[in-house]
Amino acid sequence: AQTVTQSQPEMSVQEAETVTLSCTYDTSESDYYLFWYKQPPSRQMILVIRQEAYKQQNATENRFSVNFQKAAKSFSLKISDSQLGDAAMYFCAYRDNFGNEKLTFGTGTRLTIIP
Amino acid sequence: EAQVTQNPRYLITVTGKKLTVTCSQNMNHEYMSWYRQDPGLGLRQIYYSMNVEVTDKGDVPEGYKVSRKEKRNFPLILESPSPNQTSLYFCASSTLQRGGKGEQFFGPGTRLTVL
Repeated sequence: AQTVTQSQPEMSVQEAETVTLSCTYDTSESDYYLFWYKQPPSRQMILVIRQEAYKQQNATENRFSVNFQKAAKSFSLKISDSQLGDAAMYFCAYRDNFGNEKLTFGTGTRLTIIP
Repeated sequence: EAQVTQNPRYLITVTGKKLTVTCSQNMNHEYMSWYRQDPGLGLRQIYYSMNVEVTDKGDVPEGYKVSRKEKRNFPLILESPSPNQTSLYFCASSTLQRGGKGEQFFGPGTRLTVL
């Protein structure tokens, strides 16, 4: 079974600085997706960024980028120019590109932004 | 507006009193799923459906039932709720069409407390 590990329960960063959230996963498959979801205090699950495993280029979305290391099964999220609105719980998630299409989530990293 | 809706958003009930949490999506998605979120555990899949009349168990199905009689609706049924089902519940949907981006769209969540 696939597993997703987020080893940092909590992180903090100064406003305008850069922070990196870590995620590792375990799978025997070669075709899959990886995601980072943001959950603010409203509890809504918001997609931040996605990565398709067959694409070698790291995904970017404005201030958010990933470092996808397929061989190492690592998928970290970098937030540049951190803003107060980035404060949230961040979940890393994995999904096979076949079968159930279930999302397997990590346990989350709570990010605090220090003004 | 493309969205997934859930009702109710908050529910407090007592042990053994049957309840249903509704989920509806307006994106014509084939795939729908229920997750529960518990502190320190991330989100875990309860049940999923690949299409109308096609449902299957996820990782934590005990104590839950689902049905998929219409493509847009996927209700979660707790026949005899117990306190260990106190949790935050999310419904999600996605397309199964090839060329889709693999993203699952989440509802706003239902906070359930079973006394």
